[in-house]
Amino acid sequence: DAKTTQPTSMDCAEGRAANLPCNHSTISGNEYVYWYRQIHSQGPQYIIHGLKNNETNEMASLIITEDRKSSTLILPHATLRDTAVYYCIVPLYNFNKFYFGSGTKLNVKP
Amino acid sequence: EAQVTQNPRYLITVTGKKLTVTCSQNMNHEYMSWYRQDPGLGLRQIYYSMNVEVTDKGDVPEGYKVSRKEKRNFPLILESPSPNQTSLYFCASSLSGSGRQYEQYFGPGTRLTVT
Repeated sequence: DAKTTQPTSMDCAEGRAANLPCNHSTISGNEYVYWYRQIHSQGPQYIIHGLKNNETNEMASLIITEDRKSSTLILPHATLRDTAVYYCIVPLYNFNKFYFGSGTKLNVKP
Repeated sequence: EAQVTQNPRYLITVTGKKLTVTCSQNMNHEYMSWYRQDPGLGLRQIYYSMNVEVTDKGDVPEGYKVSRKEKRNFPLILESPSPNQTSLYFCASSLSGSGRQYEQYFGPGTRLTVT
C-alpha cells in the first residue's frame, strides 16, 4: 500500500465543517484513496473513495489534489456522533490485503 | 437489512480450549476477512477469502484457522487459544474484484479474553 500520513487528532466544533487531511505522496496512478471511520470499538464504516476527481456522497466529500499526493475528507456539518477515528487508506491496486494505519481521532465538541 | 453478524459478541475462555467465532453475511459478497484490533497496534488483518474455498493469510495469521465452505459464512477458529490472542475481532465482507474488495462492511465485533 502507498504510505499515508494523517494527523493524530483534530478538534471540530459541532455544526462546523470538519476537514481531515491525508498525505499520500507515493500514490501510483491507478491507486484509489479510501476513507473509513470507526466509532469507539464499533466495526469500521466505509465512507467514500476516489481516484482523481472530487467525490461526494450522503456522508462526506472527498477532495483529491491535482497531483494526487494528498486528499481531504470533509464532513460538512459535524455532529457529536461524528466523533471517531478516521482512516485514510491507499490499497495497492487489486491487492487483496488491507491495511488500516493509525488514523485521525476527530473530536467534535459542543 | 444488509449486515454482517458475528457470534459470540463476548467470550471469556481458558488457554488451550478450542473455540470458533462465527461470521455470516447476507449480501452475497465474495470477499470476507477477519481482523483483530489491539490498543496501540490498530486493526490488523488475520485472514481473508476471495470466494468459496479460497483463503489466504493476512498479516497476523499465526494461531488462527479459517474455512470458507459456504459463501455467506467465514468462521475463525482458534485451535489452542493463548492469552496473546485476547483482542477485539472484526469480520468484514465486500464484493470482489476491480477494487470493490476495499468497500468493506464490518460486523459488530467479538471481544475475546483468554485467561
